[in-house]
Amino acid sequence: GAVVSQHPSWVICKSGTSVKIECRSLDFQATTMFWYRQFPKQSLMLMATSNEGSKATYEQGVEKDKFLINHASLTLSTLTVTSAHPEDSSFYICSARSGTNNSPLHFGNGTRLTVT
Amino acid sequence: QKEVEQNSGPLSVPEGAIASLNCTYSDRGSQSFFWYRQYSGKSPELIMSIYSNGDKEDGRFTAQLNKASQYVSLLIRDSQPSDSATYLCAALGDSNYQLIWGAGTKLIIKP
Repeated sequence: GAVVSQHPSWVICKSGTSVKIECRSLDFQATTMFWYRQFPKQSLMLMATSNEGSKATYEQGVEKDKFLINHASLTLSTLTVTSAHPEDSSFYICSARSGTNNSPLHFGNGTRLTVT
Repeated sequence: QKEVEQNSGPLSVPEGAIASLNCTYSDRGSQSFFWYRQYSGKSPELIMSIYSNGDKEDGRFTAQLNKASQYVSLLIRDSQPSDSATYLCAALGDSNYQLIWGAGTKLIIKP
């Protein structure tokens, strides 16, 4: 149980284009999903908290107009990296809780984004 | 600022020995703690959750929590080369239910 599916697993795009990453909870409903970014050899950095039916909450320093989050249903959240640049190349990972607020996060497999 | 501290390692342990990973946290109000394993290039996977003081065992893994000392540990018995990974400790913030992550300890099991 508690499977989080993320797609695509990797993507290469040209600078200036936009990339959409999907995150789905397959066997549970997730009112809240979390988007993380991880650069090589660094720890997880929370980018934003995605809330079903309302605006996402972004962490300090994360541009909301660049990283568009949509959480239109209880099982799907999307992250769109707009006008991507090489410095946006990173490992993006979504996660969600299947239970109460103190239950663990379950992670998707991540998306490796490379911007050329 | 609320923090979770881990030794970055690498921690090198011979195969078959016990690996001991440690973590301290600053938010005394934290009540829930988690250990995740992350292989290089992969996303984190949950190893253990612990909510009460004392030990919690699951197979070769034992999590230990001491809230008075604000200390969490993970023991891996009979370490295998496949246990080589980065282990992340996380504490759940008391007020906003956000996870506070440690930077991770790299564990290397030597055959």
